[in-house]
Amino acid sequence: AQKITQTQPGMFVQEKEAVTLDCTYDTSDQSYGLFWYKQPSSGEMIFLIYQGSYDEQNATEGRYSLNFQKARKSANLVISASQLGDSAMYFCAMREPSSNDYKLSFGAGTTVTVRA
Amino acid sequence: NAGVMQNPRHLVRRRGQEARLRCSPMKGHSHVYWYRQLPEEGLKFMVYLQKENIIDESGMPKERFSAEFPKEGPSILRIQQVVRGDSAAYFCASSPGQGVEQYFGPGTRLTGT
Repeated sequence: AQKITQTQPGMFVQEKEAVTLDCTYDTSDQSYGLFWYKQPSSGEMIFLIYQGSYDEQNATEGRYSLNFQKARKSANLVISASQLGDSAMYFCAMREPSSNDYKLSFGAGTTVTVRA
Repeated sequence: NAGVMQNPRHLVRRRGQEARLRCSPMKGHSHVYWYRQLPEEGLKFMVYLQKENIIDESGMPKERFSAEFPKEGPSILRIQQVVRGDSAAYFCASSPGQGVEQYFGPGTRLTGT
């Protein structure tokens, strides 16, 4: 079964607008971690933001925020005030104890294209 | 403080040749993970190593693939008798311990011809 589902293969957003990238996950563990990574065209994997399952507040890092809805098992990434440099592939990932707490499971990714 | 280093960044191998991918973890990190990203897909876990030990190789193909992390030097992912289907980006990540943040290297793009 797919552990991480990203249903949006590609999205377009106008510069300076906000964009929400969807991520749903599947786990029976009570304690787990959720991550978002950015992969620009150069190919490296850049860590953006982390949310622990027991964190009461939604994680934020600069223009990135994570809309964590535990009951729905969703961890959507919100990028505010989009910039041209935000154009990239974005991956949602999860780490869970039942996977020995070190295997990251990744979604298929969402390509974001920011238009000027 | 240098991040995770991988080399080469790009590698082309003809069918039947061997590919050796190297990964130097961040300073102070003794845990190394290898992931593979096939075209248009997310990363898939391959293997988890600590110094001189393979902890979990459940994601490694049964044949032709091996990994090591010697006491001295980088971690090596070795692919013998490369085929076209091995073409992918191979990422290494490192962490200071198990179950904590993994930091990724820039990846090695392998092209099997």
